[in-house]
Amino acid sequence: DTAVSQTPKYLVTQMGNDKSIKCEQNLGHDTMYWYKQDSKKFLKIMFSYNNKELIINETVPNRFSPKSPDKAHLNLHINSLELGDSAVYFCASSQEGTGRDIQYFGAGTRLSVL
Amino acid sequence: DAKTTQPTSMDCAEGRAANLPCNHSTISGNEYVYWYRQIHSQGPQYIIHGLKNNETNEMASLIITEDRKSSTLILPHATLRDTAVYYCIAKTGANNLFFGTGTRLTVIP
Repeated sequence: DTAVSQTPKYLVTQMGNDKSIKCEQNLGHDTMYWYKQDSKKFLKIMFSYNNKELIINETVPNRFSPKSPDKAHLNLHINSLELGDSAVYFCASSQEGTGRDIQYFGAGTRLSVL
Repeated sequence: DAKTTQPTSMDCAEGRAANLPCNHSTISGNEYVYWYRQIHSQGPQYIIHGLKNNETNEMASLIITEDRKSSTLILPHATLRDTAVYYCIAKTGANNLFFGTGTRLTVIP
């Protein structure tokens, strides 16, 4: 069983479209994250959710909205896609603890906006 | 979170130990040192972490200096599958990990 799974693995779409990326974790963790890795390979956090509450939002455009139906899922919805949104998006999860928390990452979703 | 500094790239012969250094001179007392790696086109993978004692697990060893201003990740017998970008991160918890540029380790046959 894959601990953190993302779908789809690849997503090709036109500018202006709306798309969603799904993420599920079966580790029983209480916190989930979305990261973006751009063409220069910099990996930056976008959001995290802890017990259904958004606790980090790193100046991400409001076209991006995380949605968490339950603590095992954190989906990423993107409105009005732009060329600059092309990147690899990684989902991760962790269990909040005593400062020794470890994040487990999914395999990534490669988004190409044409 | 403390800033970390790592060499941009390193090579290591297959079967030899790979020693990856990291400087974190401004680390505070409650910040852990985490190491992650990212193999090409895959999600980052946790390797090891420590506070002040040296740590060892099935993947690697982590040596932290007594003053905690630097650390070294040791892969005891590097294989070709260890070729990856290795990230050293200093922080108090797992949330909001900041991945810098890391060290690109190339294991050479």
